Amino acid sequence: KNQVEQSPQSLIILEGKNCTLQCNYTVSPFSNLRWYKQDTGRGPVSLTIMTFSENTKSNGRYTATLDADTKQSSLHITASQLSDSASYICVVKEAAGNKLTFGGGTRVLVKP
Amino acid sequence: DSGVTQTPKHLITATGQRVTLRCSPRSGDLSVYWYQQSLDQGLQFLIQYYNGEERAKGNILERFSAQQFPDLHSELNLSSLELGDSALYFCASSPPGGHYEQYFGPGTRLTVT
Repeated sequence: KNQVEQSPQSLIILEGKNCTLQCNYTVSPFSNLRWYKQDTGRGPVSLTIMTFSENTKSNGRYTATLDADTKQSSLHITASQLSDSASYICVVKEAAGNKLTFGGGTRVLVKP
Repeated sequence: DSGVTQTPKHLITATGQRVTLRCSPRSGDLSVYWYQQSLDQGLQFLIQYYNGEERAKGNILERFSAQQFPDLHSELNLSSLELGDSALYFCASSPPGGHYEQYFGPGTRLTVT
């Protein structure tokens, strides 16, 4: 069964610090992996999409990495801001069909 | 603002009732996806439509149904509502081709009492 596991479930960091979120997946065959940011009660917003051949992709202070061999991805947040407080969701798309498998998310709280 | 609109924003109804949620995709997007997110839970994929045709089905209950109309807007119908159906319902749309990037709407919060 295709799965996407995220860790940690939740995280508290001080404003200005860095943090890294993890995503492990078993989805196969793999098409692409996305990271979304979801503010409480709002729709998710895409941060990055990476295909098999991409190892790193940045979007401002967000940097995602992908190791397709080990089926692992990470999202690094640099110099965190209070507005980074949100849930971060890892989503993997299968190569066959349109099915997306969602991770359970990591809830990040940035404290001043 | 993603360009995806959903109505209504909030809906409160009683058990056993039926409701319809509406979604208008971004201009040019042919695919519409429906998701359910219960309190403090992850997103659960319900169903996808592409240009009026059902394309993929997820964990959608038989009491739920959806359709996409010729103008590409979509409706999600929820019937015989139960307390456990209380959740945020998100619609997303994506353009044809490419990486199927999805743009999410603001959601409809359904409360069943």
